[in-house]
Amino acid sequence: GENVEQHPSTLSVQEGDSAVIKCTYSDSASNYFPWYKQELGKGPQLIIDIRSNVGEKKDQRIAVTLNKTAKHFSLHITETQPEDSAVYFCAASINDMRFGAGTRLTVKP
Amino acid sequence: GAVVSQHPSRVICKSGTSVKIECRSLDFQATTMFWYRQFPKQSLMLMATSNEGSKATYEQGVEKDKFLINHASLTLSTLTVTSAHPEDSSFYICSASGAGTNEKLFFGSGTQLSVL
Repeated sequence: GENVEQHPSTLSVQEGDSAVIKCTYSDSASNYFPWYKQELGKGPQLIIDIRSNVGEKKDQRIAVTLNKTAKHFSLHITETQPEDSAVYFCAASINDMRFGAGTRLTVKP
Repeated sequence: GAVVSQHPSRVICKSGTSVKIECRSLDFQATTMFWYRQFPKQSLMLMATSNEGSKATYEQGVEKDKFLINHASLTLSTLTVTSAHPEDSSFYICSASGAGTNEKLFFGSGTQLSVL
């Protein structure tokens, strides 16, 4: 089955800096790659996603890139703000969705 | 995005009692719902997948008689933790996808279960 690895497990940046989180997947048939943000005590919230026929997608300060050949995808957050602090999960899906282990992002004011 | 409502958000119960958690899709028909368990500082662990009108498919190691899942309608799925014990204490989250979501998965707000 699909195996998703996510790095780093923790990331601390200064407000205004960029943050990058990387994920790799094992099943080349996976075709959908969402990113979720989870705040403490809440359910994950979909923030951006990308499908396998697209290499990059951007939504304001958030962007995701996909390299199908290398089977990895990344989340980029620019101009980080303290409210970006949360746990971020990547996932890969073909029939069912498998999640990475999560990255705890801390943005220091 | 689509809205998934989960209740209760927090429940405390005595050991041996059963607890029911509800997951509702508010603005779309959820043909498939998923139930996850999450331990502190860990990722989401898929427990089971349920399709409307059929029996849930449980992941390996998840006791189906312990965690009863019902998906009787296109907008409601329930998870019942039967004869709960302290080791069942965890954060339980549902998610749903279906018509109008373009295969995207939307999550409920989670339920923190504490078994005394």
